[in-house]
Amino acid sequence: AQSVTQLDSHVSVSEGTPVLLRCNYSSSYSPSLFWYVQHPNKGLQLLLKYTSAATLVKGINGFEAEFKKSETSFHLTKPSAHMSDAAEYFCVVSGRNNNDMRFGAGTRLTVKP
Amino acid sequence: KAGVTQTPRYLIKTRGQQVTLSCSPISGHRSVSWYQQTPGQGLQFLFEYFSETQRNKGNFPGRFSGRQFSNSRSEMNVSTLELGDSALYLCASSPWTGDYEQYFGPGTRLTVT
Repeated sequence: AQSVTQLDSHVSVSEGTPVLLRCNYSSSYSPSLFWYVQHPNKGLQLLLKYTSAATLVKGINGFEAEFKKSETSFHLTKPSAHMSDAAEYFCVVSGRNNNDMRFGAGTRLTVKP
Repeated sequence: KAGVTQTPRYLIKTRGQQVTLSCSPISGHRSVSWYQQTPGQGLQFLFEYFSETQRNKGNFPGRFSGRQFSNSRSEMNVSTLELGDSALYLCASSPWTGDYEQYFGPGTRLTVT
C-alpha cells in the first residue's frame, strides 16, 4: 500500500524568499516520486521526478527535491520564489501500476509581492 | 509536439443524463489515463488504457467507462450522472504503460445540475 502526505495545505512566502513544500510518503516498494504543479484552470505539469537515481533531483523553473529514505520524505524547494510560482503543488508516489499512484492533497503556494 | 488536448473544456449536464469526454494524447504516446479531481476527494485515478485495452482501473462505479481507439485517442463516458460527478476530469498520456511520467491535459470541467 502506498500513501503520500503533504504536510501543509497552504504556504505563503514573499517574492525572492525560499520555498519549502513538504511531502512524506509511505510505500511497500521502492517508489517513484513526483512533484506536479497546477495553475488555475490548467492541467498538471511535471516539475521533477525521482526514480532511484540521484537523491537530489533538479526540475524545471529552479525547483529541486531531495529524496530521504530514512525520513521517508521528498520535500520540494526553490531558493527564490517568483510571482509566477503561485499555484497548487502535488506530491505523487507511484508503484507498479497507475492505479497504485497516490496523489497528495496538494499545497497551495501563495507568493506575496 | 502538441500537448494533450481535451474536449470539451466545460460542460453542464443534468442529473440522469450521460456524457462523453474526449482526450487526444501527445503524438506517439500509447497510454492514456483518466483522473477525477474534486475539492473533497482530490485527484483520483479512474482508469488507464493502452493499445485499446483497459490496463488498470480505479475504485469507481460501473457508470464510469472508457475506451481507446487505434490512434490512441480516448473517450470517457459517464452514464446516469449524479450531482457528485461534478468535477474536473483530467486526462494524461505517457509513451508506454507503466511509464509513470505522465503529461496532463487542461481538463474538462463537468458540472451536473
